Amino acid sequence: ETGVTQSPTHLIKTRGQQVTLRCSSQSGHNTVSWYQQALGQGPQFIFQYYREEENGRGNFPPRFSGLQFPNYSSELNVNALELDDSALYLCASSMGGVGNQPQHFGDGTRLSIL
Amino acid sequence: QKEVEQNSGPLSVPEGAIASLNCTYSDRVSQSFFWYRQYSGKSPELIMSIYSNGDKEDGRFTAQLNKASQYVSLLIRDSQPSDSATYLCAVRNFGNEKLTFGTGTRLTIIP
Repeated sequence: ETGVTQSPTHLIKTRGQQVTLRCSSQSGHNTVSWYQQALGQGPQFIFQYYREEENGRGNFPPRFSGLQFPNYSSELNVNALELDDSALYLCASSMGGVGNQPQHFGDGTRLSIL
Repeated sequence: QKEVEQNSGPLSVPEGAIASLNCTYSDRVSQSFFWYRQYSGKSPELIMSIYSNGDKEDGRFTAQLNKASQYVSLLIRDSQPSDSATYLCAVRNFGNEKLTFGTGTRLTIIP
């Protein structure tokens, strides 16, 4: 069984640039959630995709956007990068629509904004 | 009031002792509760889930849930140095797939 994979592992960008982070869900999972984890904090929910549709969004501005593909992999796009966007970005997959299913995280992408 | 609260620690426990980690949550409609372990620089790893009142045991780990008190805890028996990590409590509300996390408790097992 293949787990959740994310790419790239690390990324360095400058203010104002745009970035795309990628996530492949665990085999059999149809739901992908994205979280931002700042240093010393718990992960904060950005949004979730279930069967290619956005299924909930946290308190993040519209410059954070995403999509999910037919194979349930997903992308997180962030435009107009700000210094505060420096964080660990986590993708979690789960089997949605079947009750209490836990989310399993990938290794994350560490994004640094200079 | 934060939605999910944890003591940030650090919590130091001698090797072989019981480590007790606590978490409180504010929303009474919360339905599902999870404990994740996160090593420094790594991603969270699910170690326990609990959905109904009472205790749930898995190896050296026991999760305890008290919905009336809005309290969930994690006990680690026979603590090992490899248990040293940050433990994140996460809550999911009914009808909502998102997880709300606490800030985590940093646990150090002293050999």
